Amino acid sequence: EAGVAQSPRYKIIEKRQSVAFWCNPISGHATLYWYQQILGQGPKLLIQFQNNGVVDDSQLPKDRFSAERLKGVDSTLKIQPAKLEDSAVYLCASSFGGRGEKLFFGSGTQLSVL
Amino acid sequence: AQTVTQSQPEMSVQEAETVTLSCTYDTSENNYYLFWYKQPPSRQMILVIRQEAYKQQNATENRFSVNFQKAAKSFSLKISDSQLGDTAMYFCALDTGNQFYFGTGTSLTVIP
Repeated sequence: EAGVAQSPRYKIIEKRQSVAFWCNPISGHATLYWYQQILGQGPKLLIQFQNNGVVDDSQLPKDRFSAERLKGVDSTLKIQPAKLEDSAVYLCASSFGGRGEKLFFGSGTQLSVL
Repeated sequence: AQTVTQSQPEMSVQEAETVTLSCTYDTSENNYYLFWYKQPPSRQMILVIRQEAYKQQNATENRFSVNFQKAAKSFSLKISDSQLGDTAMYFCALDTGNQFYFGTGTSLTVIP
């Protein structure tokens, strides 16, 4: 079974530039999550999709971050413009969506903003 | 508000020994789930063990077991016969059905 795919694995940009991350969840998984993990901290939820609808984006900085999930499958997360404090690992996860279902994670994208 | 607290930022254990990682949580929900995830240097989070709050029996998975104390809101992870491959960050997580909440993690090093 293929896992959660993410790209790119690493990205270095300068502040005020834009960047996009891509995620392909496990086939059949209705729920998709984007997490931000700052060094030394636990993952923080940015946005949760159920199929192609947003369930929770309360912690997404909407002035600079945006995300979409086309046709309820792949998802992209964009930052425009990036700030120094956006340096982090961005993790994508998916699940079948039921209560108590385990999350399957991708390998993440490590973003460095200079 | 939901919180997950891991009070041990770093721990180490000798190979083949046993180690226990601590986790406490707070939630007003009565039906929830608890997880331990492992994050090796490759960054991919992997599920270690899962506990349903309404089950009193502690979950076990091979060398991994938990001590779930619902009244105390405590959920510790015991790793027996530690192996070098157990070296990783370990995150405790709470699923209330609405959202996953992660702790800040414990960095475990297994010493040969």
